[in-house]
Amino acid sequence: DAGVIQSPRHEVTEMGQEVTLRCKLISGHNSLFWYRQTMMRGLELLIYFNNNVPIDDSGMPEDRFSAKMPNASFSTLKIQPSEPRDSAVYFCASSDNNKYGYTFGSGTRLTVV
Amino acid sequence: AQKVTQAQTEISVVEKEDVTLDCVYETRDTTYYLFWYKQPPSGELVFLIRRNSFDEQNEISGRYSWNFQKSTSSFNFTITASQVVDSAVYFCALSRGNTPLVFGKGTRLSVIA
Repeated sequence: DAGVIQSPRHEVTEMGQEVTLRCKLISGHNSLFWYRQTMMRGLELLIYFNNNVPIDDSGMPEDRFSAKMPNASFSTLKIQPSEPRDSAVYFCASSDNNKYGYTFGSGTRLTVV
Repeated sequence: AQKVTQAQTEISVVEKEDVTLDCVYETRDTTYYLFWYKQPPSGELVFLIRRNSFDEQNEISGRYSWNFQKSTSSFNFTITASQVVDSAVYFCALSRGNTPLVFGKGTRLSVIA
């Protein structure tokens, strides 16, 4: 199993540009979580899905952020337009509802200049 | 609401010393799961252990050991004979099972040769 795969690993973009982060879940996992890590706020949940359905998006900072799960194995997190304060490491994780384990991807380090 | 507190922001030890990382949690659930993750300088989140609320047995894995005490709502992590490779940020986390992990702020451990 290749684990949770995130792309890109690093992204540098200019303020105002659209950014799309991608995540491929482990096959058979039912839940998908997007987290953001910053020095000030630590690891904070942005949104999570269960069986492709968004369950809690209360952590999404504002309307500039959106997340989708077009199928059971793939998710995107989009920021449009991006701002310097969005600079952070974004992690996705997946879990198997029956086993209560969480596997994290390697993260995407986003820098907005 | 669930909450995880890691009161130690940074710890510095000399190689071969033992070190304990503290974790205190809050939850109203009777069934819950506790986790420890390691984040080395490379940035990924590495799973170390999962414990469910019904299993208070201490666990040992090599130089690592965990002490779970429901009476004090604590799940402390001890590294015996620390090594430079143990230098990382360590996160304690809590979940109900299929729900998102709630993370503490992390403890940065520096092991000096």
